Amino acid sequence: LAKTTQPISMDSYEGQEVNITCSHNNIATNDYITWYQQFPSQGPRFIIQGYKTKVTNEVASLFIPADRKSSTLSLPRVSLSDTAVYYCLVGDMDSNYQLIWGAGTKLIIKP
Amino acid sequence: EAGVVQSPRYKIIEKKQPVAFWCNPISGHNTLYWYRQNLGQGPELLIRYENEEAVDDSQLPKDRFSAERLKGVDSTLKIQPAELGDSAVYLCASSFIGGNSPLHFGNGTRLTVT
Repeated sequence: LAKTTQPISMDSYEGQEVNITCSHNNIATNDYITWYQQFPSQGPRFIIQGYKTKVTNEVASLFIPADRKSSTLSLPRVSLSDTAVYYCLVGDMDSNYQLIWGAGTKLIIKP
Repeated sequence: EAGVVQSPRYKIIEKKQPVAFWCNPISGHNTLYWYRQNLGQGPELLIRYENEEAVDDSQLPKDRFSAERLKGVDSTLKIQPAELGDSAVYLCASSFIGGNSPLHFGNGTRLTVT
């Protein structure tokens, strides 16, 4: 099981771009990288998933270098409503569902 | 589409009492998960179902926890008897099988054992 390391907390300001980096040195060949967002009193919500290079959707981008030992979630022009906990998970959902959830990164956006 | 529905949202019970949580997954999702989340921590998998079969219950404390998924749709997680340490948020999630399909979570049941 690939273990991930991400900052415990970060803060930024409205309108800024926020980058959260996740380290996963022992990522396996078949592993995907998935990010979730969690607000208080809600379940985690899927944000983005990728395998290599760059993935972009309507809410975020995910940058994955060639060695895949880390990944960076990029949130463009954050707002106060982006204050949440962000989890990075690495694994192959098709063969191993015991993905290890760390404590995540608590992102606080200030006005 | 309707999301994962869980009930109740909150439950307060005294220790040694039984408690049950209910989950209705997203229509068409054949995989269902129960997670437990303690304050300040990430979710911890308790059990995973593919259709009506529990394919991974290695993390479920079987002396007091039980789960079922009737007809491969709704699921119930039960604790009997509850202990103080069971206080947590119990999350249900569902997904399609395969393709590294992302999990869709409900908003959980917050259990407080006094």
